[in-house]
Amino acid sequence: EVQLLESGGGLLQPGGSLRLSCAASGFTFNNYAMNWVRQAPGKGLEWVSATSGSGGSTYYADSVKGRFTISRDNSKNTLYLQMNSLRAEDTAVYYCAKGTSYYYDSSTYYWDYWGQGTLVTVSS
Amino acid sequence: QSVLTQPPSASGTPGQRVTISCSGSSSNIGSNYVYWYQHLPGTAPKLLIYRNNQRPSGVPDRFSGSKSGSSASLAISGLRSEDEADYYCAAWDDSLSGPVFGGGTKLTVL
Repeated sequence: EVQLLESGGGLLQPGGSLRLSCAASGFTFNNYAMNWVRQAPGKGLEWVSATSGSGGSTYYADSVKGRFTISRDNSKNTLYLQMNSLRAEDTAVYYCAKGTSYYYDSSTYYWDYWGQGTLVTVSS
Repeated sequence: QSVLTQPPSASGTPGQRVTISCSGSSSNIGSNYVYWYQHLPGTAPKLLIYRNNQRPSGVPDRFSGSKSGSSASLAISGLRSEDEADYYCAAWDDSLSGPVFGGGTKLTVL
């Protein structure tokens, strides 16, 4: 059974930093691209970032480019999101989502399993 | 403002058939596959439909997807109380070089 368990969320002030983790199990982790998708309070879903199976290729939404860094440790079956220079508009539940292929591209990017999310609140 | 447009709400009574629309443009739905997700707040979103009209194993055939031009629809037949959730469409956008979502439709089972 595929399981994705996010952790690391919390309350912090604007300008702060936070690292989210996603522990994966139930599938061969390094065979699949992984993603972060977020949902701000009362809003819809927004794709944030993706990484290929090896971690060698990374992709970001314009809204987080230059501030967030996605990475993975395939020896620990864990996905990370380092978030710096946080803003109030980054407040959201952050979901870890599994891709359907090793690569992240227009035909395989979609997400077949998701975690339950971790809440990040940025407020002064 | 979401790139894909969905109605904010939909409703139906048990046993009814409801449809949820998703409108986009030539750079997203018009040239790429559409995906549908079911989301109950506080839980993990669930893939309902992939590649316009394919159901993952375990998804009941009460759920079906279709696409025409730059629009897509999710149909739910034989509505059940457990179908009450938020539904999101998604597609790749060639102009943005990334995936985009609809704003979500809250389905209420009356």
